[in-house]
Amino acid sequence: EVQLVESGGGLVQPGGSLRLSCAASGFTFSSYWMSWVRQAPGKGLEWVANIKQDGSEKYYVDSVKGRFTISRDNAKNSLYLQMNSLRAEDTAVYYCARGFGCSGGSCYLFFDYWGQGTLVTVSS
Amino acid sequence: QSVLTQPPSVSAAPGQKVTISCSGSSSNIGNNYVSWYQQLPGTAPKLLIYDNNKRPSGIPDRFSGSKSGTSATLGITGLQTGDEADYYCGTWDSSLSANWVFGGGTKLTVL
Repeated sequence: EVQLVESGGGLVQPGGSLRLSCAASGFTFSSYWMSWVRQAPGKGLEWVANIKQDGSEKYYVDSVKGRFTISRDNAKNSLYLQMNSLRAEDTAVYYCARGFGCSGGSCYLFFDYWGQGTLVTVSS
Repeated sequence: QSVLTQPPSVSAAPGQKVTISCSGSSSNIGNNYVSWYQQLPGTAPKLLIYDNNKRPSGIPDRFSGSKSGTSATLGITGLQTGDEADYYCGTWDSSLSANWVFGGGTKLTVL
C-alpha cells in the first residue's frame, strides 16, 4: 500500500523558517517525480514544487522561488521542503504528492497519491 | 485568479447526472493531459481521472472525463450523497512560467 506521511508543520513567525518532511512507503520512491502542493484555508489547490527522480531537476511556482527548496533522499525514501523567509500568505496545508514530470520521453502528468497534509501557520 | 476556470458550484439531485467544466488555453489544456481530483471535506485530494479520460483502479465508472480543444469536462452519473465534495481539474502549463496549474475548484452539492 502506497503511503505518504508528512510532518514538520507548525506555527512560525513571519520571516522564519520551517522544514517539512514526507516519508514514503509502499512503492519504489526513487522511480517517481515527487511534488509539494498546498491549500490555504478555505482556498483551492496550488502546486508548489516538484523534483525529478534523481534530484537533478527541480521546479517551483513563482511565488516561492528563492525562498523554498525541494529535496529528496532516496536512501531514506523521503521528500523535503525547506521553507525560508516565510510570509503570512504561505499559511496552508502542505501535501506531499506522487507525480508529476517527464523522464526519458515518458510523462506522468498527474498526482496519483497524496499524503494527509501538514498545516503551516505563519503568524506573529 | 486560477489559470483554469471552473464553475464555483454545481448541484443536482441524488441519482441524477452532473458535469463540471474546466476551461483553459492552448498552453495548458489545449496541448496537455488533464486530470481531475475529488476532495471530500477535511481530507486530502484523491485522483479521479488522469490522461483526460482514464480512471485509476477503484474509481467507479460513474466518473468520466473528456477533453475538447482547450476545455475539459468531468461527468458524474448516478449521484450519491457521498459525492458531495470539491472537484479540481489540473494540467501542465507549458507557458513561460511553466508548471502545474489547478482550476479554482467546484463545490458539488447533492440536494
